[in-house]
Amino acid sequence: GAGVSQSPRYKVAKRGQDVALRCDPISGHVSLFWYQQALGQGPEFLTYFQNEAQLDKSGLPSDRFFAERPEGSVSTLKIQRTQQEDSAVYLCASSFSRESNQPQHFGDGTRLSIL
Amino acid sequence: KQEVTQIPAALSVPEGENLVLNCSFTDSAIYNLQWFRQDPGKGLTSLLLIQSSQREQTSGRLNASLDKSSGRSTLYIAASQPGDSATYLCAVHNFGNEKLTFGTGTRLTIIP
Repeated sequence: GAGVSQSPRYKVAKRGQDVALRCDPISGHVSLFWYQQALGQGPEFLTYFQNEAQLDKSGLPSDRFFAERPEGSVSTLKIQRTQQEDSAVYLCASSFSRESNQPQHFGDGTRLSIL
Repeated sequence: KQEVTQIPAALSVPEGENLVLNCSFTDSAIYNLQWFRQDPGKGLTSLLLIQSSQREQTSGRLNASLDKSSGRSTLYIAASQPGDSATYLCAVHNFGNEKLTFGTGTRLTIIP
């Protein structure tokens, strides 16, 4: 497809379970971002990759959150030992390069609910 | 730390009216500012991107302005239509990092 693809669209997990969220960026896009969006709020930055290198993970809320992009394309956001406050929409975005004038293109997100 | 504020949080206007959405930011050291649209249950669609050296950008019925020195941007929507109903978010890209900092959005409802 032409856009950023995220899967699953919806995920329900019990507290304490581990989850993995997938992002397929637009083909050829160098930069990849993860954001967390709580209900009624704007997205909050989690982490940023340039190709396979994770250059900024300052937004990850705890060491239970882990992201990877091993081959510089698909990325996975993993949350271990999930807690209720992890419930949110997780958005992935990609851009063509790290140049500052490139817009970020967003996927439809994964809505995560922790019971 | 950059803070982005959008006022009002919600706005309802009759179809056909022109309207203005406001965005303010505290740190003027920005590369660019982007306006996005978000429909319920969907991701963000980029509407306009204004570079720090620009004053405005236009796309169809949308016009975005940027006053970097005062830390303000506006999104002007002309001749509003029911299909314009959505949440509108502004986001700034600061020097020194790659992330976007978002406001909390304005939920716009156009009344037929």
